[in-house]
Amino acid sequence: EAGVAQSPRYKIIEKRQSVAFWCNPISGHATLYWYQQILGQGPKLLIQFQNNGVVDDSQLPKDRFSAERLKGVDSTLKIQPAKLEDSAVYLCASSFITVGTGELFFGEGSRLTVL
Amino acid sequence: DAKTTQPPSMDCAEGRAANLPCNHSTISGNEYVYWYRQIHSQGPQYIIHGLKNNETNEMASLIITEDRKSSTLILPHATLRDTAVYYCIVRVANNQGGKLIFGQGTELSVKP
Repeated sequence: EAGVAQSPRYKIIEKRQSVAFWCNPISGHATLYWYQQILGQGPKLLIQFQNNGVVDDSQLPKDRFSAERLKGVDSTLKIQPAKLEDSAVYLCASSFITVGTGELFFGEGSRLTVL
Repeated sequence: DAKTTQPPSMDCAEGRAANLPCNHSTISGNEYVYWYRQIHSQGPQYIIHGLKNNETNEMASLIITEDRKSSTLILPHATLRDTAVYYCIVRVANNQGGKLIFGQGTELSVKP
């Protein structure tokens, strides 16, 4: 079974530029998550999708971050304009279960460096 | 979601059992205890979860106290490949799958 795919693995940009990250979840997984992990910290949830609807985006800095999952499959996370403090690993995760418990499967992440 | 408290770091000798504690004194009756680990430069990996009863799988055992205010993850025979950050998380299971809120975790170093 293929895992969660993310791209690009690494990205270096100047501040005020824009960047987009792509995630393809495990086939059949209805729930998709984007996390931000700053060096030395645990992952922080940015947004959770259920199919193509947003369940929770309370921690997403909406003035510069946006995310979409138009067809309920793959997802894109965009940052525009980027700030120095956005340097982090952006992790995508997916989950099959829609009711009850279920494990999250994480991708390897996209490492962003903002100069 | 209830918060968890974990020691920031622990050492363990290779081949010995690693016992990682977690305090979740404000856990609610419908919240599960989950453990994930993150090996350097990789995404977090699911280990085990439980509600009330002790659980065991091929990776680890989870011991939850009777009052559910704390738990211990046990890696029975730690290897060098178990060196990672271990996260204890309490999570409500709902019809959206329930979100995982990570804390700082415990950095486990397994030494030869």
